[in-house]
Amino acid sequence: AQTVTQSQPEMSVQEAETVTLSCTYDTSESDYYLFWYKQPPSRQMILVIRQEAYKQQNATENRFSVNFQKAAKSFSLKISDSQLGDAAMYFCASRTGGGADGLTFGKGTHLIIQP
Amino acid sequence: GAVVSQHPSRVICKSGTSVKIECRSLDFQATTMFWYRQFPKQSLMLMATSNEGSKATYEQGVEKDKFLINHASLTLSTLTVTSAHPEDSSFYICSARGMGQGRRNEQFFGPGTRLTVL
Repeated sequence: AQTVTQSQPEMSVQEAETVTLSCTYDTSESDYYLFWYKQPPSRQMILVIRQEAYKQQNATENRFSVNFQKAAKSFSLKISDSQLGDAAMYFCASRTGGGADGLTFGKGTHLIIQP
Repeated sequence: GAVVSQHPSRVICKSGTSVKIECRSLDFQATTMFWYRQFPKQSLMLMATSNEGSKATYEQGVEKDKFLINHASLTLSTLTVTSAHPEDSSFYICSARGMGQGRRNEQFFGPGTRLTVL
């Protein structure tokens, strides 16, 4: 079984600043994927970034990057140059490597962007 | 590409009735579809995994006779909430996994269906 923990129910950041959202996970699998999803008020789930556990290099997607610490089972998301459109719920998630399993989600972090 | 639709987007029904929610992959074939449930201000919880042509696999604690899942084709899965009660009111989200993507096998999410049972 996999568990995902997000300990920050809410975070606030000034526009154009940088914010880091925390996530820890636990799994007995050696082959797994980690994700960050964004859920705006529309409730549509949007994939922000994905990390394969077997890759040591941290994933980056434009202003979004992760700090993947495999030994510590930590997977934080850094958002640089925060924009008003980044305001949303952010969910950390994991799944096994084969892809046949569904995602296990954390409880989410509500990100507020202060203009 | 990789669009998943859900119908209806919202539904209100009376207690005791059954409601069917459709999940369609519009531009790809999905061997596997997943159904999640999200209560207000909470996270998504996986309810079941449905594979085309076979019985769905339900997560622990999810009543399979209550939540009937049918994955009749590579582009359509349905979730039927039978004898709905107010506690079934929730946001139901499906995702679909495409064929032939190998290990990456990304899941694409539908826009969700809000169910309100009176």
